[in-house]
Amino acid sequence: AQSVSQHNHHVILSEAASLELGCNYSYGGTVNLFWYVQYPGQHLQLLLKYFSGDPLVKGIKGFEAEFIKSKFSFNLRKPSVQWSDTAEYFCAVSYGGSQGNLIFGKGTKLSVKP
Amino acid sequence: DVKVTQSSRYLVKRTGEKVFLECVQDMDHENMFWYRQDPGLGLRLIYFSYDVKMKEKGDIPEGYSVSREKKERFSLILESASTNQTSMYLCAIPTADGGREKLFFGSGTQLSVL
Repeated sequence: AQSVSQHNHHVILSEAASLELGCNYSYGGTVNLFWYVQYPGQHLQLLLKYFSGDPLVKGIKGFEAEFIKSKFSFNLRKPSVQWSDTAEYFCAVSYGGSQGNLIFGKGTKLSVKP
Repeated sequence: DVKVTQSSRYLVKRTGEKVFLECVQDMDHENMFWYRQDPGLGLRLIYFSYDVKMKEKGDIPEGYSVSREKKERFSLILESASTNQTSMYLCAIPTADGGREKLFFGSGTQLSVL
């Protein structure tokens, strides 16, 4: 079955530390890849997405993600986190253009210490 | 951007009650989705609808049903609420972005079943 794995359940960092959240997906042909963020008390928001083209994707708030096809990975990165980045981050994959039927990872909670 | 409105932000119900969760969209999209979000489990698809009166089971449909009588409204129904249905429920609409999809989420309904 197709699946998405997020390796870390909870990550705790100090401000200005660099961030990398892992995401791996199972093989299934053509994929669209997403990272969503949910800030405390708020709804899910799209952070960035990869459909095709440049595998290094820039998102909002200084986040980026790199699609590495050979590793089935789409890791999220930020060079210097801020306290306001405290949130839960979800990786998601859709296969073969299946509209909206995303498979989500279990989420990674990020806590940034001021 | 599409606007996805979930009528209740918080609901408290008793075991055995019938519960209706409403989701309304403002842009005539065919597809609408219901997810639930639980700590450590991430987002899981309950049901989706691809047109009026059309519905498909997602990954965890047991204990739920849905109704799509009008295009703009997609209701999730808990026929007899149970404590294990305490969760955050999210409605989502997929939209096209350069030929591929991304999801817009509602604010969520936090349901507590006592």
